[in-house]
Amino acid sequence: AQSVTQPDIHITVSEGASLELRCNYSYGATPYLFWYVQSPGQGLQLLLKYFSGDTLVQGIKGFEAEFKRSQSSFNLRKPSVHWSDAAEYFCAVGPNTGNQFYFGTGTSLTVIP
Amino acid sequence: DSGVTQTPKHLITATGQRVTLRCSPRSGDLSVYWYQQSLDQGLQFLIQYYNGEERAKGNILERFSAQQFPDLHSELNLSSLELGDSALYFCASSPKPSGRARGDEQFFGPGTRLTVL
Repeated sequence: AQSVTQPDIHITVSEGASLELRCNYSYGATPYLFWYVQSPGQGLQLLLKYFSGDTLVQGIKGFEAEFKRSQSSFNLRKPSVHWSDAAEYFCAVGPNTGNQFYFGTGTSLTVIP
Repeated sequence: DSGVTQTPKHLITATGQRVTLRCSPRSGDLSVYWYQQSLDQGLQFLIQYYNGEERAKGNILERFSAQQFPDLHSELNLSSLELGDSALYFCASSPKPSGRARGDEQFFGPGTRLTVL
């Protein structure tokens, strides 16, 4: 069965520090992978997506993610976190057939000064 | 602003009641998705419509139903409401159904916060 796991429920980092949010997926075929961010009281905004090709994907707001098929992972990274990055982050896997997206349970990011 | 609009922003109602949530997708998008986000369940896919037809069903209760109209807006109907139905309900749209092409990103609306008292 398809699923997405985000092992870290909550992460706290200092402003300016590097960030890595973990995402592992279970999918029977070639996955399409997404990272979304949700600020408080807002909808979800797409940060980046991976379909094929280069396994290192660049997104908006200075985020990047690396697809590692051998580890079934798609971790999100940012070299230097800003206070405005505090939000909830969701990893999702989409289909190359069928129509359902599967979201992880999210990682809440707190940024301290 | 994603271009997806949802009304109302907030809804407070009582148990046993029925409510309708409305979603207008981005201009030109044919697919509409509904999600429920609650503290204990996370983001749950409910149902997807494409150009007026149901395409996929997720964890949608029998008390819930949805439809997509010819102008492509969609409504999610929730009936016999229970306390546990209190959640954020998101609508998302995408330009074409996943599966016929590469997976397409979904554009999310701001959500409707439903509180059942």
